[in-house]
This record gives sequence, structure tokens and C-alpha cells, in this order.
Amino acid sequence: ELKVEQNPLFLSMQEGKNYTIYCNYSTTSDRLYWYRQDPGKSLESLFVLLSNGAVKQEGRLMASLDTKARLSTLHITAAVHDLSATYFCAVDLYGGSQGNLIFGKGTKLSVKP
Amino acid sequence: DGGITQSPKYLFRKEGQNVTLSCEQNLNHDAMYWYRQDPGQGLRLIYYSQIVNDFQKGDIAEGYSVSREKKESFPLTVTSAQKNPTAFYLCASSFDTYEQYFGPGTRLTVT
Repeated sequence: ELKVEQNPLFLSMQEGKNYTIYCNYSTTSDRLYWYRQDPGKSLESLFVLLSNGAVKQEGRLMASLDTKARLSTLHITAAVHDLSATYFCAVDLYGGSQGNLIFGKGTKLSVKP
Repeated sequence: DGGITQSPKYLFRKEGQNVTLSCEQNLNHDAMYWYRQDPGQGLRLIYYSQIVNDFQKGDIAEGYSVSREKKESFPLTVTSAQKNPTAFYLCASSFDTYEQYFGPGTRLTVT
């Protein structure tokens, strides 16, 4: 059974600080996704990581994937209040063949001035 | 505008009643998915369909049913057999099995 674990589950940051969210998964997969969810809203796709060593950046967020370690990270640089949201990682159970995603429980990020 | 629509946004039902949630997409995506989200939790897959007239059970299919008669539509019925139906339901679609795009969600409350 594939398990996806995120840590921390809750993160309170000050504006301007850097931090990293970790996503560990238990079986082999080379397809990992990061999503953002605002309270009461749907999910917004942030990054799609398709191979070992993949790194993607958008604004203050950077995601990376290490398939050998079964680890993805989401790094936040110089946080701003607008980044406050819940961030989910999701791993494709069958490596992309069926779209069966297993989600982590999410990391609730709160950025304070 | 292309996108995924779900209706209604909020739905209230009495225990023991079946209820159908609508999901429509005009993105010409082949695959469609239904997820359930409980407070403070990630999403769990209920059913998915990669092609018209075919669908597969996800991790928590018991108490739910779906149909895929048209490429654009993938309705989910929450039956009275579902023991804890109150949740936020999200529909998604994808081109092939690549990146999934999510609809706005339906919040179902059963009392």
C-alpha cells in the first residue's frame, strides 16, 4: 500500500523567512504533484515532477523530486502572507498509467507579518 | 472558457436519501475522477474513468456509484449505503492520465 507522508502538518512562519515542506512516499513512483488549497476552495496545481532530479520553480516556491530517496520537497523563499494556504503533495500510484493519485494529509501554512 | 463545473456548490440531504453530484468538463479530457475530502485530511479517490463507458473503483468506492455515458460528464451518486457521506467532494479531469485539474467542489451535508 502506497503511503504519502507530509511534514510538518502545520507551519507558522514569519514573512521573509525560508522553510521547506517534505513529502515522503513509500513505494516507487516517478510522478509527483504539488497542489495548493485555499480555505473552502478547490485545489490549484502548482508543480508536476516527472523524473528523478526534477526541479521546478514558480515565484517564491521551488519543488524538487528525488525518486531514489522517495522524497519531494517544496521550498518557500522569503515567505509572504499570500502564500498562506494548505499544500498537498500527491503521488501517482501506478507511475502515471492510470492517474490514481494518493495524497498526503497536507501542510497548513500560515505566514504572519 | 474551458473548465470543470460542479453543481450544486452546497447540498443538504436527509439520511437515507440518495443524492447525485454533477461534474461537467469542456476541456476535452479523456479521464475524470471523483475525490472525497474530510476536514483536515487529504483527498481520497472514490472512482475514476479513463474513457467513456468505463470506470474503476478507487480506494473508497463503497456506498458510491458513477456513470460515464458522455466524455464531458461524470456524475457521482452518493447512496444511502454510504455510512458517513458528509464531506467535500471534488471532481477532476486530465488529458490522458497526466496532470489533474479540479472543479470547485460540492459540499454535501447529510443529517
